[in-house]
This record gives sequence, structure tokens and C-alpha cells, in this order.
Amino acid sequence: QSVLTQPPSASGTPGQRVTISCSGSSSNIANNYVYWYQHLPGTAPKLLIYRNNQRPSGVPDRFSGSKSGTSASLAISGLRSEDEADYYCAAWDDSLSGRVFGGGTKLTVL
Amino acid sequence: QVQLQESGPGLVKPSQTLSLTCTVSGDSINSGGYYWSWIRQHPGKGLEWVGCISYSGSTYYNPSLKSRVTISVDTSKNQFSLRLSSVTAADTAVYYCASGRAADGFDPWGQGTLVTVSS
Repeated sequence: QSVLTQPPSASGTPGQRVTISCSGSSSNIANNYVYWYQHLPGTAPKLLIYRNNQRPSGVPDRFSGSKSGTSASLAISGLRSEDEADYYCAAWDDSLSGRVFGGGTKLTVL
Repeated sequence: QVQLQESGPGLVKPSQTLSLTCTVSGDSINSGGYYWSWIRQHPGKGLEWVGCISYSGSTYYNPSLKSRVTISVDTSKNQFSLRLSSVTAADTAVYYCASGRAADGFDPWGQGTLVTVSS
């Protein structure tokens, strides 16, 4: 049981906009930064979003992050086949004094 | 640009100690502001933060693993290491090392190394 809650799956067709939610609590998301990672099996996870809504250089602006209260979201616009991957949210948890991850969302591009 | 590479045994016997090393290239491990982390992924499961060591030497561990985990830095070799004692089959996972400055997230990551706990 992950501290941060994500839907196990999401899907969309090419060109569509999809959002992935991440639900937490006052000890993590509400008072700390949220991060999003993209993970293709067999490869190193990749940082997509840091500090709630910042994109590292090289990450397309099709990816965007937002946060409100104890929840956060990752939005992917103009969906492409290469976006098919697992997506994880993460945050620092003050109660646990450690980083916590969501359970991951498997995105399928139909 | 920092690059990371994990190394260590791929098979560890139950009750023994798992030891992995992450070699840092492209920058000095002494560079200010970095946190050096370990993250694992059980087969078919999500990511789990194991712990990290800061540029100042402070360590932070996952509470569920704290009694068995040690993370350390070897500046002479530009490496940091993970030791996990008293392993069981539940510790079988792909182990990733990662780095990043505070508040900047885990970036980059190593490719990961599979460690299997079995007799």
C-alpha cells in the first residue's frame, strides 16, 4: 500500500490529452514539492516534473504538472505512442522523514 | 553531466548482507548540494525509496528498512554504497542509484541492477 495513491492505469489515443492523479495528505503533498517520473521497463526512470510544475531541460512542454492541496496531477497533451510507460509521483513525507512514491500508473496509448 | 552506474553481486543468500556500489562519473561526489540515493523496484511492483546520503554526510532511510540499511560515500573512489543486512526473498528487486540536488528530484538515475535473494 503506497503512501501516495495513483490510478493503476490510464489510456488515451494519439493526440489526446490525459491526466494522471496523485493523492496524498498534509504530511506529504500538501506541504512539500511533488515530482513525476516516467519509467519504461528495462530502462532508468526519467524525471519529468520537479517542484510541482517545473520541467527539466529536454522534457517536452506536452508534459505539465500541477498541485492543489493534498493532490497533484500530471497532464500529457498531444499524446504520442512513445509516451506509453509507467508514471510515478513522489514527494517528501514529513511524518516518515523520507521520500514516498505513488504506486505508479501504466499509461497505454491506444 | 553526471552519470551513475550500479555494480555488485546479482545473487545474495538469505540472511547475508547485500552490498552495492554506485560509481559517479562526470562530476565529483564532493560537489556541494547533492543527495545520493538508492531506490528499488520489486518484480512487477512500483518504486520504493531505500534511503540517501547528503553532501554533508547526513543519512536518511526508509523507516521500514532503517534497522538494516547503511549508505556511505567513498570520496577517494567517487562512489557511494548501499549495504542491506539480513536479507530475505522480499529484498529481491532491481536496485537503482540516483542523485540530485535538494528539491530538484532524482536526476539522473543509474540503469539499475537486479539483485536476487536465494539460496
